[in-house]
Amino acid sequence: QSVLTQPPSMSAAPGQKVTISCSGSSSNIGNNYVSWYQQLPGTAPKLLIYENDKRPSGIPDRFSGSKSGSSATLGITGLQTGDEADYYCGTWDSSLSAGVFGGGTKLTVL
Amino acid sequence: QVQLQESGPGLVKPSETLSLTCAVSGFSISSGYYWGWIRQPPGKGLEWIGSMSHSGGSYYNPSLRSRVTISLDTSKNQFSLKLSSVTAADTAVYYCARRVGYCNAGDCYVHYFDYWGQGTLVSVSS
Repeated sequence: QSVLTQPPSMSAAPGQKVTISCSGSSSNIGNNYVSWYQQLPGTAPKLLIYENDKRPSGIPDRFSGSKSGSSATLGITGLQTGDEADYYCGTWDSSLSAGVFGGGTKLTVL
Repeated sequence: QVQLQESGPGLVKPSETLSLTCAVSGFSISSGYYWGWIRQPPGKGLEWIGSMSHSGGSYYNPSLRSRVTISLDTSKNQFSLKLSSVTAADTAVYYCARRVGYCNAGDCYVHYFDYWGQGTLVSVSS
């Protein structure tokens, strides 16, 4: 049972937009910055979003992040088949004094 | 470009100690940042293990703290993970990563990993 809650799976058609949610509490998302990671099949996670809504160099602006209260959202527009991956949110939990991740969302582009 | 590469035994016996090393290139670990480990059991999600800085500061997952040691070797520009008394539940792909964080008195309002190794599978079995 992860501290951060994500939908296990989502699907959308190519070209469409999808939003992936990450729900937490005041001890984690509510008071700390959120990051998002993309894990393509058989590869290591890759940083997509940091500090709620910032994109590292090289990440296309099709990917966006936002936070409201104790929840965060990853948005992906203009979906491509290459976006099929597992997506994880992450942050720090002040009560646990530990880094935490969501359980992951498997995105299917069909 | 910062690159990380894990190495170590792919098979460890129950009750023994898992030992992994992460070689870093393109950045000196003594220049800053924390350096950490994350694991992923087969078919499951990510679990943070812990992180350490060159100055000796460290953070460990409370659920693993009693069994985990992370150390840095700045002369070789690498860092290591030791996990003792392993069981089958410790079977996972282990990733090393560079951690970006802003913390105050042990509470980190910024905590994320910007560079990752490719991961190495460690199985615990007799």
